[in-house]
Amino acid sequence: AQKVTQAQTEISVVEKEDVTLDCVYETRDTTYYLFWYKQPPSGELVFLIRRNSFDEQNEISGRYSWNFQKSTSSFNFTITASQVVDSAVYFCALSEADSTGGFKTIFGAGTRLFVKA
Amino acid sequence: DGGITQSPKYLFRKEGQNVTLSCEQNLNHDAMYWYRQDPGQGLRLIYYSQIVNDFQKGDIAEGYSVSREKKESFPLTVTSAQKNPTAFYLCASGSGGAFTDTQYFGPGTRLTVL
Repeated sequence: AQKVTQAQTEISVVEKEDVTLDCVYETRDTTYYLFWYKQPPSGELVFLIRRNSFDEQNEISGRYSWNFQKSTSSFNFTITASQVVDSAVYFCALSEADSTGGFKTIFGAGTRLFVKA
Repeated sequence: DGGITQSPKYLFRKEGQNVTLSCEQNLNHDAMYWYRQDPGQGLRLIYYSQIVNDFQKGDIAEGYSVSREKKESFPLTVTSAQKNPTAFYLCASGSGGAFTDTQYFGPGTRLTVL
C-alpha cells in the first residue's frame, strides 16, 4: 500500500541556518511521481517540485534543493540559508496509478517549519 | 489572472444543515479535486473529477456530494450525514487527471459547524 511518512512534525531553526525536511515513501509500483508543496499561514498549497520515479537527479532551485534516493525510498528537501518567509507547513506527496484504472495521491502529514529571526 | 478561487474563505453553519462550497478555475484544466485537511494532518481526498459530468469517490466521500456540470466549476456539498464536517477544505485542479499531473490548489474554505 502507498504511504508517505514525514517523521518531523515540527522543526525550529534560526534564520540563515540550513534545514532538511525528510520524506520517506512506500510503494509497490515502479512508476510514480513525488511532489513537495508549501502551505504558508494563508492556507493555500503552493507547488514546489514534481519528480518522476525514473529521474533520480537531484535538483536545485535557488535556496531549495531536493535529494531523491530510490534505494532508501526518500525524497528529502533542503532549504539553504533559511529565511523567516520560509516558515510554513511543507507536504510531501506520492502519486501513482491504482488497480481500478484511476490513480491515488497520498500526502504526508506535513512538517511545520518555524524560522526565527 | 489564471487560478483557482474558492468561496467563501470562512463558513459557519449550524449542525444538521447542508452547505455548498464553491470552487472555480480558469486554468482550462480537465481534472478537479476536493480535499479535506484536519489540524496536524495531511490532505485526504474526498472526490475528484477527470472530465465534465463524471466524478469519482475518494477515500472519505461519505457525507459529501459533488457535481461537475461545467469544466470550470466543481462545487462540494457537505451534507448533514457528514459526522464531523468542521475542517479546512481545499480544491485543486490538474491538466490531465492522471497520476502524472501536478495539482494546483485554491486558497481553501474553513468550515465550522456550530
